[in-house]
Amino acid sequence: EDQVTQSPEALRLQEGESSSLNCSYTVSGLRGLFWYRQDPGKGPEFLFTLYSAGEEKEKERLKATLTKKESFLHITAPKPEDSATYLCAVQAVTQGGSEKLVFGKGTKLTVNP
Amino acid sequence: ETGVTQTPRHLVMGMTNKKSLKCEQHLGHNAMYWYKQSAKKPLELMFVYNFKEQTENNSVPSRFSPECPNSSHLFLHLHTLQPEDSALYLCASSPRFRGRWTEAFFGQGTRLTVV
Repeated sequence: EDQVTQSPEALRLQEGESSSLNCSYTVSGLRGLFWYRQDPGKGPEFLFTLYSAGEEKEKERLKATLTKKESFLHITAPKPEDSATYLCAVQAVTQGGSEKLVFGKGTKLTVNP
Repeated sequence: ETGVTQTPRHLVMGMTNKKSLKCEQHLGHNAMYWYKQSAKKPLELMFVYNFKEQTENNSVPSRFSPECPNSSHLFLHLHTLQPEDSALYLCASSPRFRGRWTEAFFGQGTRLTVV
């Protein structure tokens, strides 16, 4: 069964304190791994797509990396506005042959000033 | 603004009511999705439409009925819901290129409360 596990569930950081979020996955044939950011009461906002082990993507203070079993979202010198829930998802195939995203529960990040 | 618009943003309905959620995208995408997001749970896929054809019903109860009249619009018709159906309902769309599914773009969601 395709599964995505994110850790930690919640993370509190001081402004400027770098850290990493983890996303481990089991999927039959990875076709893509996605990171999203979600603010309270809003829909997820796309951040990155990673397709193969060793791939890295960067955007401002965020950097996503991918291995064969997990992905990390590194946050360098975070600011309070980086506070949000970060969602990881993998592309999988349904029994009906459609493609879908399988999501983890997310990591709620709080950055204190 | 992601290009995917959902209405209404908030909905309170009784268990005997009938209501509909609407989703609209002008991104030229050919796949559209309904997801349910409940507290402490991952996003759950409900329905998938490819080129207006429903290709997936993820064991969703019949009190939820999707409709996709064209590739830009998606509806979710609701009737005789239960309080446990209260959640954030998210619509998403994505393009398809040679079988590779790129990122999905989500709407802001409809916060549904069933009383």
